[in-house]
Amino acid sequence: DAGITQSPRHKVTETGTPVTLRCHQTENHRYMYWYRQDPGHGLRLIHYSYGVKDTDKGEVSDGYSVSRSKTEDFLLTLESATSSQTSVYFCAISFGQGGQFFGPGTRLTVL
Amino acid sequence: TQLLEQSPQFLSIQEGENLTVYCNSSSVFSSLQWYRQEPGEGPVLLVTVVTGGEVKKLKRLTFQFGDARKDSSLHITAAQPGDTGLYLCAGERDSNYQLIWGAGTKLIIKP
Repeated sequence: DAGITQSPRHKVTETGTPVTLRCHQTENHRYMYWYRQDPGHGLRLIHYSYGVKDTDKGEVSDGYSVSRSKTEDFLLTLESATSSQTSVYFCAISFGQGGQFFGPGTRLTVL
Repeated sequence: TQLLEQSPQFLSIQEGENLTVYCNSSSVFSSLQWYRQEPGEGPVLLVTVVTGGEVKKLKRLTFQFGDARKDSSLHITAAQPGDTGLYLCAGERDSNYQLIWGAGTKLIIKP
């Protein structure tokens, strides 16, 4: 199995505070993704990375930024959290056409 | 705009029955993937289909990719309570191995 960890696993924060979620992989894969999952919407891509310092926006990138300074780490930052960003966040890596492998998720609540 | 329509959204059946989940689009995909997700966990890849008309079997699960590579189906024979979960389809269309996701089918198999 792919080694993907996410931290923290749960977080409660207040509106207006910055939040950083971390995704760490041990597989040395080039492609990494951040998704959010909300009822009725399925998985929506926030940002993705195709290499160190190479990132691009997904369909719901407003209010989020990412960084990838090392192959193994992909960080997602909410600059100023809002209640609409309450969600479950998943990180994934890609094995190409073989599919994507997901981390365990981070449940974020913004009060 | 939901580019991949999954149906039904919810299905509750008795153990031993058969069922089919559909994933439809007007877009052509280079591959179509099916995932299963359990509560509190990330999606887990079940299968990838690549060739139009391709059929893959995974024990009691049969996956088919439409001839035009725009749609797919998942058929479960003699469903078991262990099949309960959220089933997601995802189509690969662009570069960087990005996926377009269906909203999911929540399946409950009652003993």
